[in-house]
Amino acid sequence: EDKVVQSPLSLVVHEGDTVTLNCSYEVTNFRSLLWYKQEKKAPTFLFMLTSSGIEKKSGRLSSILDKKELFSILNITATQTGDSAVYLCAVPGGGADGLTFGKGTHLIIQP
Amino acid sequence: DTGVSQDPRHKITKRGQNVTFRCDPISEHNRLYWYRQTLGQGPEFLTYFQNEAQLEKSRLLSDRFSAERPKGSFSTLEIQRTEQGDSAMYLCASSSRGLGSEQYFGPGTRLTVT
Repeated sequence: EDKVVQSPLSLVVHEGDTVTLNCSYEVTNFRSLLWYKQEKKAPTFLFMLTSSGIEKKSGRLSSILDKKELFSILNITATQTGDSAVYLCAVPGGGADGLTFGKGTHLIIQP
Repeated sequence: DTGVSQDPRHKITKRGQNVTFRCDPISEHNRLYWYRQTLGQGPEFLTYFQNEAQLEKSRLLSDRFSAERPKGSFSTLEIQRTEQGDSAMYLCASSSRGLGSEQYFGPGTRLTVT
């Protein structure tokens, strides 16, 4: 059974800090790993990492994939209050396409 | 360019009633997914369509749940004889690319069963 474990489950930091969110996974047939941001609505797509694209960066957010150790990290530098959200990590199922999500990391940025 | 839309956004129903939700994917996205999300959890996969064909169903999808995508465009998810445990956010997502590619989510339908 596919499995995604995220840590920490919650994190409170001050504005301007840098945070690192962790995601470990087990999947039968790895194809990709996806990161989403969820505020009080639907998840918003951030990054997709694959065997051919193990590092992604967009502004203050960046992510890397370690296929050997089966984990990914999401970094956010110079955090802002607008970064407060739940960050979800997901992998497509080994046999098909439904995503298996972790429980998410609830990030709170204090002013 | 419109994203994924879902209707209704909120639904309150009494236990035992049937409910139906609708999802309109991003235009020309041939893949459509349904997920369920409860408080403090990540979304859980329910079922997946490629065009009008339902290709995958999770063990979570009991006999009381049925989903259709008759013309390969919008989809409906019906829950019969609702139970309090069905209370959750029901999310729809769509995708246009190959297996394992990014999925774009709608705003969800929040179901409350009283």
